[in-house]
Amino acid sequence: EAGVAQSPRYKIIEKRQSVAFWCNPISGHATLYWYQQILGQGPKLLIQFQNNGVVDDSQLPKDRFSAERLKGVDSTLKIQPAKLEDSAVYLCASSLGRGQGGANVLTFGAGSRLTVL
Amino acid sequence: QKEVEQNSGPLSVPEGAIASLNCTYSDRGSQSFFWYRQYSGKSPELIMSIYSNGDKEDGRFTAQLNKASQYVSLLIRDSQPSDSATYLCAVNIRNAGNMLTFGGGTRLMVKP
Repeated sequence: EAGVAQSPRYKIIEKRQSVAFWCNPISGHATLYWYQQILGQGPKLLIQFQNNGVVDDSQLPKDRFSAERLKGVDSTLKIQPAKLEDSAVYLCASSLGRGQGGANVLTFGAGSRLTVL
Repeated sequence: QKEVEQNSGPLSVPEGAIASLNCTYSDRGSQSFFWYRQYSGKSPELIMSIYSNGDKEDGRFTAQLNKASQYVSLLIRDSQPSDSATYLCAVNIRNAGNMLTFGGGTRLMVKP
């Protein structure tokens, strides 16, 4: 099966500019996640969608970050305006559903590396 | 206290040795535990999941879970240079809506 697709792979912008990342999950996966991974740290969940509804966005900086998943398939994550501390890899992941023990088994895309100058 | 904690390393082991990676978590209600491997510049990939106390073996990998001590570990037997990567522990945090939370990762270096 095709994996999780993400684009662009790399993006360099100046602070205060805007950027958008796109993700297409594995076909049939109802749950989609956006994680932020800063260099040397573990991934941090930004937002989780179940179909086209938001399950959790408690760690999304809503003053500058937004995400949508129209039609319950692909998703877009936007940052406007960007700050220096937003430099990170933005990982999209998807899962089929709720696994054993209440958690989902995630498959990650290749990631989008953002550098803010 | 961080919800999921790992020693950042690097953990250096000789080729053929056993590598032992450890992870502690704060939520006693957690029930799902995962180990992901992340090569430099790549995305995380799942290598093991464990849900019950005890050991779970898959090839050269063994995951160990002790819920009473809130501790999960990963053993890699006969370590190979290709095992050199960052290993991420992930735990579902029930009091945060079952959100899957990652530790900071342990960097493993296997020297030939």
